[in-house]
Amino acid sequence: GDSVTQMEGPVTLSEEAFLTINCTYTATGYPSLFWYVQYPGEGLQLLLKATKADDKGSNKGFEATYRKETTSFHLEKGSVQVSDSAVYFCALSGAQKLVFGQGTRLTINP
Amino acid sequence: GAVVSQHPSRVICKSGTSVKIECRSLDFQATTMFWYRQFPKQSLMLMATSNEGSKATYEQGVEKDKFLINHASLTLSTLTVTSAHPEDSSFYICSASAGDHNSPLHFGNGTRLTVT
Repeated sequence: GDSVTQMEGPVTLSEEAFLTINCTYTATGYPSLFWYVQYPGEGLQLLLKATKADDKGSNKGFEATYRKETTSFHLEKGSVQVSDSAVYFCALSGAQKLVFGQGTRLTINP
Repeated sequence: GAVVSQHPSRVICKSGTSVKIECRSLDFQATTMFWYRQFPKQSLMLMATSNEGSKATYEQGVEKDKFLINHASLTLSTLTVTSAHPEDSSFYICSASAGDHNSPLHFGNGTRLTVT
């Protein structure tokens, strides 16, 4: 079945560091891919998405490119801030439902 | 933007009692609502999918008689945890969609259930 694998956390970085959170997927067909962010005590918020191969989703300085050849959708940000501290989930849409990765906890120190 | 309101945010109940969690779409009609369960430091596990006016579709391993889902209108879905036990303690999150699988899901802020 469809599945999503994220790099294990937790990830701790200093402010202004470069961020990469790896995400790879297995799916039949051509799913849409998403990154969601969960701040402490809150539900999930859509961060960005890509609906077809080579699409790049971007929002709030975060980017991810849909790579069909490597079945990946890695999340990147050039300069992280303390306010980016959260749990990040990679997800794909398959069979009319979302399949989530296990989440990566990110902590940014000032 | 679209908002999904989930209530209550926290609830503590005694073992054997039932708890109802509400999920409302505030500014759009949600044709489909999803209920997830999240264990500490783990990902979201889809429990069931509900479409307005029809029975919910439960994922494998989820007891439909224990987790009752009602989607009576295009703006409201409820999850009732019946005869709750301590192992039901978890973070429950609902989400709603107004369209097909390419439409973004809008999530509620979740409900922390603690069963004593």
